[in-house]
Amino acid sequence: KQEVTQIPAALSVPEGENLVLNCSFTDSAIYNLQWFRQDPGKGLTSLLLIQSSQREQTSGRLNASLDKSSGRSTLYIAASQPGDSATYLCAVEGRYSTLTFGKGTMLLVSP
Amino acid sequence: GAVVSQHPSRVICKSGTSVKIECRSLDFQATTMFWYRQFPKQSLMLMATSNEGSKATYEQGVEKDKFLINHASLTLSTLTVTSAHPEDSSFYICSARQDLNTEAFFGQGTRLTVV
Repeated sequence: KQEVTQIPAALSVPEGENLVLNCSFTDSAIYNLQWFRQDPGKGLTSLLLIQSSQREQTSGRLNASLDKSSGRSTLYIAASQPGDSATYLCAVEGRYSTLTFGKGTMLLVSP
Repeated sequence: GAVVSQHPSRVICKSGTSVKIECRSLDFQATTMFWYRQFPKQSLMLMATSNEGSKATYEQGVEKDKFLINHASLTLSTLTVTSAHPEDSSFYICSARQDLNTEAFFGQGTRLTVV
């Protein structure tokens, strides 16, 4: 059974810092990995999708990497802003197109 | 990105009553929709997968008679929580995708409180 772990569970940084969120998964047989953002009481916003054949994806200040063989992904956020404060979820897609989620990293960026 | 609309965003109901949650894909046809449940400080847990026109596939431990899923069209899926109990109080989120290997887009979620 696939398990997804995210470290750290919570992170607090001052505005402007670069930061890295970590995601690991136990079964490397994945089709893709997706990073989401969740604001309190809200749904999910897809940030980046990395196919299993890719090593990284970039969107604006966000860069996500994938090392399928070691079961790891990182989300790099450059020049963090208070508006980046949210919970970041990583999810891997396995068989039957289902997603397995981590518990998330709660990020707080203070002005 | 594509838009998935979920309604209602919040609902409070009495124990024993039923609640229906709608999930619509607004600008694409979703062959597959997923329903998740999220308890406080927990991961999203998949409840069931539904393909348009066929019966939903439920995850282990999810009661199919309690959580009725209907995916009658390519743009609409509904989740009905029947005979709701306080332990069913949770955050329910739907997800839709056009086909395999495309992004999954999520609704805004529904906060269900059963009193």
